[in-house]
Amino acid sequence: SQQGEEDPQALSIQEGENATMNCSYKTSINNLQWYRQNSGRGLVHLILIRSNEREKHSGRLRVTLDTSKKSSSLLITASRAADTASYFCATTLIQGAQKLVFGQGTRLTINP
Amino acid sequence: DGGITQSPKYLFRKEGQNVTLSCEQNLNHDAMYWYRQDPGQGLRLIYYSQIVNDFQKGDIAEGYSVSREKKESFPLTVTSAQKNPTAFYLCASRWGAASGANVLTFGAGSRLTVL
Repeated sequence: SQQGEEDPQALSIQEGENATMNCSYKTSINNLQWYRQNSGRGLVHLILIRSNEREKHSGRLRVTLDTSKKSSSLLITASRAADTASYFCATTLIQGAQKLVFGQGTRLTINP
Repeated sequence: DGGITQSPKYLFRKEGQNVTLSCEQNLNHDAMYWYRQDPGQGLRLIYYSQIVNDFQKGDIAEGYSVSREKKESFPLTVTSAQKNPTAFYLCASRWGAASGANVLTFGAGSRLTVL
């Protein structure tokens, strides 16, 4: 079952602009993570935010979490062509903490 | 270098054949996972294993089988019972116990195509 839904499904912006992706989920979570996938490759972990946190930063990444709305957003500032990839949110449910449930992903294209 | 190695990277199968995808990790991670990814889709969990000689079904286990005889290895067999096996298969691993951060390390994937 898919826990997360991401919006938009695809996003195309110019280099240097900021990119924002959103993730909504259905049930209570322990934490939420964002992963990146280059075409035809495995996923790479970007950042984790716990259910008791509201915002987290890592370099050009900013993640927010609103547990009352069951949603999260990933902001990439000052985008670069190398940021072109698919981005997935993944949730760890409070029950069933062994499993990570992934959203459908947002395909981000950065145009030079 | 530590990491997860999946092989083969590309695999072609005739209908009715079983195939086995290899996943080896040298990260000393306890838990290992298999996910399936279809074009433009997210990842769906096939099987996972928390310790050696133990594994659990994920959301789409039908038509697949696994074994966990060694901590480093978690092979996935796609059987002829899997009706639509063409997909990208991803193996992942996680260090440590059930509690705490559930951060996964992924292999590069294996692309299976049924002819």
